[in-house]
Amino acid sequence: ETGVTQTPRHLVMGMTNKKSLKCEQHLGHNAMYWYKQSAKKPLELMFVYSLEERVENNSVPSRFSPECPNSSHLFLHLHTLQPEDSALYLCASSQDTFRELFFGEGSRLTVL
Amino acid sequence: GENVEQHPSTLSVQEGDSAVIKCTYSDSASNYFPWYKQELGKGPQLIIDIRSNVGEKKDQRIAVTLNKTAKHFSLHITETQPEDSAVYFCAASNNNAGNMLTFGGGTRLMVKP
Repeated sequence: ETGVTQTPRHLVMGMTNKKSLKCEQHLGHNAMYWYKQSAKKPLELMFVYSLEERVENNSVPSRFSPECPNSSHLFLHLHTLQPEDSALYLCASSQDTFRELFFGEGSRLTVL
Repeated sequence: GENVEQHPSTLSVQEGDSAVIKCTYSDSASNYFPWYKQELGKGPQLIIDIRSNVGEKKDQRIAVTLNKTAKHFSLHITETQPEDSAVYFCAASNNNAGNMLTFGGGTRLMVKP
């Protein structure tokens, strides 16, 4: 596989569920990101990891919990979400922070 | 922090016509301005970028211009084709400081055959 791969592509969950989104990059990059894309809103940066250390946490509610076990994998753990959290969650990677971003295809999350 | 405004939010053109998308930014320290294209069901993909030491950059049918004094930059697509239909995002950052990219709200471009 090449590029940035996200799973699952679609996820429906209730407000009391716990689920995780997974991202894997095969580009040898050292920085990874989670972005939230909602309808009619700009892309919102959620978290940045550089060399597996979190360097940015953009005032995201604690019901979103990121994990970066190594430079190729990034997770977003979800628990007790709200319907307004329904959105497309995009993972991206880059060589060094905020150089050209390579995005995955996103995980479409629906919270019922 | 940086604020990026993008206009128009939707743009419909006839195949073969030109399309122009404009963005303004607020932070005079911003020095890196990429443009991303997002096709339906896919993640955004970088199509062109410009740094503050140049005023214009071209890549085949795509060009970007930057006016640092006015703090605005534009994407120009000539001879549009149906496959250019997508959502386009501009962004700005102070790349030297490793600052985060701030994205505009996006422009949905529709090219009618």
